[in-house]
Amino acid sequence: NAGVTQTPKFQVLKTGQSMTLQCAQDMNHEYMSWYRQDPGMGLRLIHYSVGAGITDQGEVPNGYNVSRSTTEDFPLRLLSAAPSQTSVYFCASSQLLGGGNTIYFGEGSWLTVV
Amino acid sequence: DQQVKQNSPSLSVQEGRISILNCDYTNSMFDYFLWYKKYPAEGPTFLISISSIKDKNEDGRFTVFLNKSAKHLSLHIVPSQPGDSAVYFCAASEGSGTYKYIFGTGTRLKVLA
Repeated sequence: NAGVTQTPKFQVLKTGQSMTLQCAQDMNHEYMSWYRQDPGMGLRLIHYSVGAGITDQGEVPNGYNVSRSTTEDFPLRLLSAAPSQTSVYFCASSQLLGGGNTIYFGEGSWLTVV
Repeated sequence: DQQVKQNSPSLSVQEGRISILNCDYTNSMFDYFLWYKKYPAEGPTFLISISSIKDKNEDGRFTVFLNKSAKHLSLHIVPSQPGDSAVYFCAASEGSGTYKYIFGTGTRLKVLA
């Protein structure tokens, strides 16, 4: 039972480098999203998607890009990493049944930008 | 502007007693609410949810109460167990096509044996 799989689990980046956090789900969920968790800030929505080819911004989208070419995958790209992007990142997915659905999270990706 | 607020960053409760975790929201369009539990180094896991058409939902030791007029929900855990020690997040969504789940800042619950 894979569920939502995120890679890598840990990453250290230098300021200015770019990287992609990978997310895949095997539950055929239409909805996928990325959150970041920071101390005292809870989980903040970065970007989300309600289907292949459809993405939208969340609460804190700046500095991140996403695309959704397949139902299964929803990668998060950091274009030019900054220390402020040091965080724990969670990918999540859900069915779309008219709203009010449980979202399932991956185990997280710990990113440090130095 | 924080649309979902959990004003207590931490809570300590004796084993066997009731734990009450609170959550307030500002957006009157929110119509579906969820509680998640998170252990260190793991992803959040779903605990219980409630639709705005209800004022209470129960699942075993966990009960969620919703007061729409006060824009307030609470999670009751009875009886509390040491394994309940975790960070609890409440989340809300408008549901009607937006599918944006907004989370609160979390409350760290410690159940003392």
